[in-house]
Amino acid sequence: DIQMTQSPSSLSASVGDRVTITCRASQNIGSYLNWYQQKPGKAPKLLIYAASSLQSGVPLRFSGSGSGTDFTLTISSLQPEDFATYSCQQSDSTLTFGQGTRLEIK
Amino acid sequence: QVQLQESGPGLVKPSETLSLTCIVSGGSISNHYWSWIRQPPGKGLEWIGYIYYSGSTNYNPSLKSRVTISVDTSKNQFSLKLSSVTAADTAVYYCARRRYNYYYYMDVWGKGTTVTVSS
Repeated sequence: DIQMTQSPSSLSASVGDRVTITCRASQNIGSYLNWYQQKPGKAPKLLIYAASSLQSGVPLRFSGSGSGTDFTLTISSLQPEDFATYSCQQSDSTLTFGQGTRLEIK
Repeated sequence: QVQLQESGPGLVKPSETLSLTCIVSGGSISNHYWSWIRQPPGKGLEWIGYIYYSGSTNYNPSLKSRVTISVDTSKNQFSLKLSSVTAADTAVYYCARRRYNYYYYMDVWGKGTTVTVSS
């Protein structure tokens, strides 16, 4: 199975900050990488698919990059509604998620 | 706009079978893959499996021996059965659409349903 490792596990930041979250795959997955945002008590929401494609309706401050084994999710200027948990997911035949990165208010 | 709604018992006894249904509304179940994902309390997301509307399936190897996912196109719904449950199967269970647009991603999710395994 392909293992997905996110870093950091948690992160404190302020409104307006630029934030980057990293996801590493245990083997080459090309661009088969998606990012989700999840708020407490809510279902995950798709932000980025195919490593860098922005899902319809998602603000432009979110961006994704990378290919192969190393990927990043960047939020260019944090807004109050962005404080949540972010998870990467590889979309190979056997799907696996990263353990999540909790983004908290500093 | 496609919406998904999970339903099923919130409490299941150990060793019994967990059964959930996901109703698809606002669109057809045809021509898409449909997934089940779960999240134990305080933990990350775990993919359980998916089914194509035609009935072909793919399961998480760690759960494969206990999982069955089925589809009923006439009712526009799909279902999950997980047998021989233990406390480790306590989780919020989500259904989701696995969309294909040259790449696969889960773009529509249900709100989730909490299942507790306890006697």
